[in-house]
Amino acid sequence: GAVVSQHPSWVICKSGTSVKIECRSLDFQATTMFWYRQFPKQSLMLMATSNEGSKATYEQGVEKDKFLINHASLTLSTLTVTSAHPEDSSFYICSVEGLAGGPSLTEQFFGPGTRLTVL
Amino acid sequence: QKEVEQNSGPLSVPEGAIASLNCTYSDRVSQSFFWYRQYSGKSPELIMSIYSNGDKEDGRFTAQLNKASQYVSLLIRDSQPSDSATYLCAVRGGGGKLIFGQGTELSVKP
Repeated sequence: GAVVSQHPSWVICKSGTSVKIECRSLDFQATTMFWYRQFPKQSLMLMATSNEGSKATYEQGVEKDKFLINHASLTLSTLTVTSAHPEDSSFYICSVEGLAGGPSLTEQFFGPGTRLTVL
Repeated sequence: QKEVEQNSGPLSVPEGAIASLNCTYSDRVSQSFFWYRQYSGKSPELIMSIYSNGDKEDGRFTAQLNKASQYVSLLIRDSQPSDSATYLCAVRGGGGKLIFGQGTELSVKP
């Protein structure tokens, strides 16, 4: 499967500040990456699909001006949480999609996640 | 009705037993199904994918898919305490996105 890294693994920030999270695909070029958010005891919720060289596609209810996504290269996507507030505290996880050994078959592999705490 | 449903558990089994995890989905056009394991505080790890009706075995894990019944399951044989985790069922929807169930917490007791 694909190897994905995220940085930082955890971050604590004050309310009103911005936080940038990096997601890197280490072993192949990813034209598409995904950003998820997971609150405690809940499942993963897709926030947006990050497309290299074009604008991200956001899910309904996700503020694109608050969660800025930049997919600057085939191996790097960044998520910036702008003017963070305590309710943005969550586990943010990115993923990349790799081929699963057959035509049109793909699997998603997740990075280790970034735990954001906003005070 | 949720798009992907799982029993939240917790499901408790003794060490060495078979753990059976179930998942139902609502979108009939779904073609790809996945089981992820998530340890507390960690991100999900893909353990099985299945695309065709029937069984798919990988070591102690067997995924079962029945598209007519819109049902996918995961069996874990010879369960070990290290299998204790939350298991997430994911289905690729018509739009290509992964849709996750709420997860089933599995506890394997020594």
